Amino acid sequence: GAVVSQHPSWVICKSGTSVKIECRSLDFQATTMFWYRQFPKQSLMLMATSNEGSKATYEQGVEKDKFLINHASLTLSTLTVTSAHPEDSSFYICSARDGRGDNEQFFGPGTRLTVL
Amino acid sequence: DAKTTQPPSMDCAEGRAANLPCNHSTISGNEYVYWYRQIHSQGPQYIIHGLKNNETNEMASLIITEDRKSSTLILPHATLRDTAVYYCIGTHMFSGGYNKLIFGAGTRLAVHP
Repeated sequence: GAVVSQHPSWVICKSGTSVKIECRSLDFQATTMFWYRQFPKQSLMLMATSNEGSKATYEQGVEKDKFLINHASLTLSTLTVTSAHPEDSSFYICSARDGRGDNEQFFGPGTRLTVL
Repeated sequence: DAKTTQPPSMDCAEGRAANLPCNHSTISGNEYVYWYRQIHSQGPQYIIHGLKNNETNEMASLIITEDRKSSTLILPHATLRDTAVYYCIGTHMFSGGYNKLIFGAGTRLAVHP
């Protein structure tokens, strides 16, 4: 089956620093990738949709200057949390769409970010 | 995207069938019903999806009512490893050829010995 990886799996950073999270599709090309955020005991919230070679489309209420998304290749998308603050601490999950199949999305294992 | 309603929690005995209901009364004709599950602290796992007809794969069966206002996910022989939050999502394909998944609260299924 299609495999999506994320790196790092967890990260702790100081307030005010920037953190980059990578999302890779390992055995397929993903023209579209998605980024989600999940707070404890809550559901996943879609942050943005990323198409290879174009600007990401952000959901309402998500600051595009704070959450920078780059999708420069068909197998890699990155999410950079800029000037992170404790309220940005969350579980960040990416997914990738395999356009060859029935359009189901395959999810990465998630990255737990803790901002001190 | 169609709003879905699911019971917040369910219990099931190991080895028995788990039947998870989902109400999607506002679903439109071109919207699919997708099911995902999320085991604690992991990314969601795709289970199954359908449009009108019932579907079956190696993981589960999906029964969609004729009026498409509700569906049931069936795990035929639940195991302890099926304990997870199950999400029912109604979605349609965008012009870019992808489905945007909007997750609701889901059903927390607990399988017990």
